Amino acid sequence: GDSVTQMEGPVTLSEEAFLTINCTYTATGYPSLFWYVQYPGEGLQLLLKATKADDKGSNKGFEATYRKETTSFHLEKGSVQVSDSAVYFCAQRPITQGGSEKLVFGKGTKLTVNP
Amino acid sequence: ETGVTQTPRHLVMGMTNKKSLKCEQHLGHNAMYWYKQSAKKPLELMFVYSLEERVENNSVPSRFSPECPNSSHLFLHLHTLQPEDSALYLCASSPLASGELFFGEGSRLTVL
Repeated sequence: GDSVTQMEGPVTLSEEAFLTINCTYTATGYPSLFWYVQYPGEGLQLLLKATKADDKGSNKGFEATYRKETTSFHLEKGSVQVSDSAVYFCAQRPITQGGSEKLVFGKGTKLTVNP
Repeated sequence: ETGVTQTPRHLVMGMTNKKSLKCEQHLGHNAMYWYKQSAKKPLELMFVYSLEERVENNSVPSRFSPECPNSSHLFLHLHTLQPEDSALYLCASSPLASGELFFGEGSRLTVL
């Protein structure tokens, strides 16, 4: 079945370090891919998305490229800040969808950035 | 502020209690969702309502009972819960076929 696997956390970095959070998926066909972020005490919010192969999603300095060859959608940021401390979720939207959004989420990766 | 409001934010209940979680959205979305978030597990989709009709029930125990009286409100009625039901319950909404969910801040439930 459709699934998402992302790297186990927690991840702890110093400010201005480079960030990579790995995400791979299994799916039938080419799903849409998403990264959601959950800041402490809040719900999830969409960070970026890509809807087809080779698309690059970007927002707030974060980027992820849809790689169909490796079925991956790794999240990267060149220089993290303390305010980026949060839990990051990779998700896919299977292509066999009706009107509602039945996203499949990974387990989440907790990122802590120290000053 | 995402436009999706959940109440209460925290709830402690005994196994014999009956309580309800409430979710409200004024974003004009036509689909609403309940998710369960437990530590070290993927988000679990519990219920989906599209145009006020339930379209998904992922084998959720009957002690959880959803209600969607209109497109802006969603409830999760709880009764005879177990300690393993303790979790963060997230409500979300979306426009149809948009690819984006808008989440509330969650209701943290503790079952004693």
